[in-house]
Amino acid sequence: EPEVTQTPSHQVTQMGQEVILRCVPISNHLYFYWYRQILGQKVEFLVSFYNNEISEKSEIFDDQFSVERPDGSNFTLKIRSTKLEDSAMYFCASSEVQTEAFFGQGTRLTVV
Amino acid sequence: AQKITQTQPGMFVQEKEAVTLDCTYDTSDQSYGLFWYKQPSSGEMIFLIYQGSYDEQNATEGRYSLNFQKARKSANLVISASQLGDSAMYFCAMREVPNTGNQFYFGTGTSLTVIP
Repeated sequence: EPEVTQTPSHQVTQMGQEVILRCVPISNHLYFYWYRQILGQKVEFLVSFYNNEISEKSEIFDDQFSVERPDGSNFTLKIRSTKLEDSAMYFCASSEVQTEAFFGQGTRLTVV
Repeated sequence: AQKITQTQPGMFVQEKEAVTLDCTYDTSDQSYGLFWYKQPSSGEMIFLIYQGSYDEQNATEGRYSLNFQKARKSANLVISASQLGDSAMYFCAMREVPNTGNQFYFGTGTSLTVIP
């Protein structure tokens, strides 16, 4: 069964450093998303990506964040100059036009 | 206004009993989808069930059913014959179609505990 894969599963980084979270969405899906979840709380939307460009982003997704689809299969989230409050579980998801979103297993980011 | 509202932060149910998790939504679109996800303590997000706004019948998937009341804008999840493995966080979500971003709006979740 196709699945969304995320790497790494856990990332520890020092405050101020840059991190790149990687995702491989399901191959025939058209929409890609990043969400984050702080300590098992609410699932917060960061950004959606369609047709090789950002289609929607939340107010959380400021200049500190960027997304890229560098090679047609990977979908990355870059967080520049990380802050303590960026510590969270980051989920990548993908979907077709009107179907459910399939989520990866998440990357737990810890900023120290 | 919140797109998805889940008013039950925590619920308890006896094993083998049925439980209903509440979800109301807010949209002015005619075409939308409603989804339920399960998040066990291991953290992954598991899709459970989908209801389209034009679907006249309530969706069912095994022990899961979605009680869709369009006029009341509610999409409650019913879990029948609860099992210990059902203990998890449950999120209701909505996607408006068409929507330029196509994002999924999530509720704050309900923590379900199944008691043996």
